[in-house]
Amino acid sequence: GESVGLHLPTLSVQEGDNSIINCAYSNSASDYFIWYKQESGKGPQFIIDIRSNMDKRQGQRVTVLLNKTVKHLSLQIAATQPGDSAVYFCAGVEVGYSTLTFGKGTMLLVSP
Amino acid sequence: DTGVSQNPRHKITKRGQNVTFRCDPISEHNRLYWYRQTLGQGPEFLTYFQNEAQLEKSRLLSDRFSAERPKGSFSTLEIQRTEQGDSAMYLCASSLGFSGGGEQYFGPGTRLTVT
Repeated sequence: GESVGLHLPTLSVQEGDNSIINCAYSNSASDYFIWYKQESGKGPQFIIDIRSNMDKRQGQRVTVLLNKTVKHLSLQIAATQPGDSAVYFCAGVEVGYSTLTFGKGTMLLVSP
Repeated sequence: DTGVSQNPRHKITKRGQNVTFRCDPISEHNRLYWYRQTLGQGPEFLTYFQNEAQLEKSRLLSDRFSAERPKGSFSTLEIQRTEQGDSAMYLCASSLGFSGGGEQYFGPGTRLTVT
């Protein structure tokens, strides 16, 4: 089955910096990826998604990059704010399935 | 509030007792998912419904677990004879289903503590 994991457990940045959170996946059959943000005591919140026929997608202050050759995706957050402090998960969906497989998460800590 | 809601938010129970959780999805969503999340880990898929039909169950869903979605709207997750290893956050999500996933909206979760 799908295996999705993250390189760094904790990322500490200063307010205003750009943040990059990385994620590797093992199943080349995955064709849809989502980044979620989870604040303490809350459920995961959708940030941005990308399909495997794309290599980049931009949202408001966030960009997701997908490199299918090395099975890697990243989440870039521009001008990071203290409110961005949370755990970030990448999740993948395999072709023909509907369920998400999550990685372990990266905690982003933003200092004022 | 038109998001996914879950009740109760917290449940403390003694080992061996049965517990039931409820999830109310976003009203127009036909798919409903249950996940379990332990501390420091990402959510793990348990089961999902399309309308009232339970289409997939994870091997994590032992025979002590049962889920229903009788009218294709709200869903319940029951755990019988709870064990300490069942302590976790139980998350519900819903989506407008289509092949390939679709954006899943999560509820706040029910935190279960088995003593």
